[in-house]
Amino acid sequence: GAGVSQTPSNKVTEKGKYVELRCDPISGHTALYWYRQSLGQGPEFLIYFQGTGAADDSGLPNDRFFAVRPEGSVSTLKIQRTERGDSAVYLCASSQRLAGVSGELFFGEGSRLTVL
Amino acid sequence: AQKVTQAQTEISVVEKEDVTLDCVYETRDTTYYLFWYKQPPSGELVFLIRRNSFDEQNEISGRYSWNFQKSTSSFNFTITASQVVDSAVYFCALSEADSGNTPLVFGKGTRLSVIA
Repeated sequence: GAGVSQTPSNKVTEKGKYVELRCDPISGHTALYWYRQSLGQGPEFLIYFQGTGAADDSGLPNDRFFAVRPEGSVSTLKIQRTERGDSAVYLCASSQRLAGVSGELFFGEGSRLTVL
Repeated sequence: AQKVTQAQTEISVVEKEDVTLDCVYETRDTTYYLFWYKQPPSGELVFLIRRNSFDEQNEISGRYSWNFQKSTSSFNFTITASQVVDSAVYFCALSEADSGNTPLVFGKGTRLSVIA
């Protein structure tokens, strides 16, 4: 497709389980971002990739969160030992260059994670 | 540290009224970028505008206009003759650029309801 694709759109899991959320960016976009959005809040930065490497992972809340982008395209956000507080919509965005230069992030529709 | 404040949590207007969404930002950088995004009920964030810190000229795009004032660190967004389709959550965001472009930091958003 032409836009950023995220799967699954909805994920319900139990506390303590492991989850993976996938993001397929727009073809040719080198920068990829993960954000987390809790109810009634703005998107909160988690990590971004420039190519295959994580250029800034300062937003990851703790070591239960990890993300990879092995071939510089698709990215997977991995959450270990999920907690109820991890429940949120996880947004992925891509851009041709860093957002401040290119001017626009293209967002997916998000993956809604619910931890019971 | 960069910060974006959207003091209006929710606004409700009647169709055809004008409405202004406020955004106040904090940054120590001299070079930075400001953004507005729209998040309709579908959840996908849609880019509306980017403005760099050296360009204080106001911008108009159809029914949308933006007022950037560095003296008050504000970047307000006005919708003229609002329509029901304008109902969404609107986010203001900031990216600092003095030491390389930082990922966007978002405000908490303003939920706009336009009533027919």
